[in-house]
Amino acid sequence: DTAVSQTPKYLVTQMGNDKSIKCEQNLGHDTMYWYKQDSKKFLKIMFSYNNKELIINETVPNRFSPKSPDKAHLNLHINSLELGDSAVYFCASSRENNEQFFGPGTRLTVL
Amino acid sequence: GQSLEQPSEVTAVEGAIVQINCTYQTSGFYGLSWYQQHDGGAPTFLSYNALDGLEETGRFSSFLSRSDSYGYLLLQELQMKDSASYFCAVPSGGYQKVTFGTGTKLQVIP
Repeated sequence: DTAVSQTPKYLVTQMGNDKSIKCEQNLGHDTMYWYKQDSKKFLKIMFSYNNKELIINETVPNRFSPKSPDKAHLNLHINSLELGDSAVYFCASSRENNEQFFGPGTRLTVL
Repeated sequence: GQSLEQPSEVTAVEGAIVQINCTYQTSGFYGLSWYQQHDGGAPTFLSYNALDGLEETGRFSSFLSRSDSYGYLLLQELQMKDSASYFCAVPSGGYQKVTFGTGTKLQVIP
């Protein structure tokens, strides 16, 4: 019954590694997003997809590559992880973006 | 670009009323949303104002003044469970992007 789900919930990895986070929504929404929330709780949009097409890329390093195999899924792959990538990453979806539905978040720790 | 400013922290007593303000600067404005986030949790949608005035949803109300580029979230009959961070947010970019405010951490004390 979970509306927006993400895996994994926690991710601890070494600098330089490559990792992926998966996101799925069962709400039938057309638009999906990735957000990064840093230690000061500042919530910043990274990417926005509409019907599998990239709409917004907010000056994110190209080490971050989103992929949307279908409109219910939006995955995030991160290459060559850096210490500064440590944060909580939230996936979200919406029909109209005045109401966004967030996943539970993935807490990424880079050592 | 978009920027939204909120007070960083607010403390209020259980049972009281608290107002969390948000001032914004945007290029193009559609409306103002509010989200609640408990520690360790995900943001959850509270309300949306597209037009000026007050919208009430139970103990929570949200106000918008487009001419003043200002809005607020009003929480009444505060409960301990209301302790959380509150974010205002504006959609932009043809509804494909949402910019969040800096967030206000509300602490409710007995």
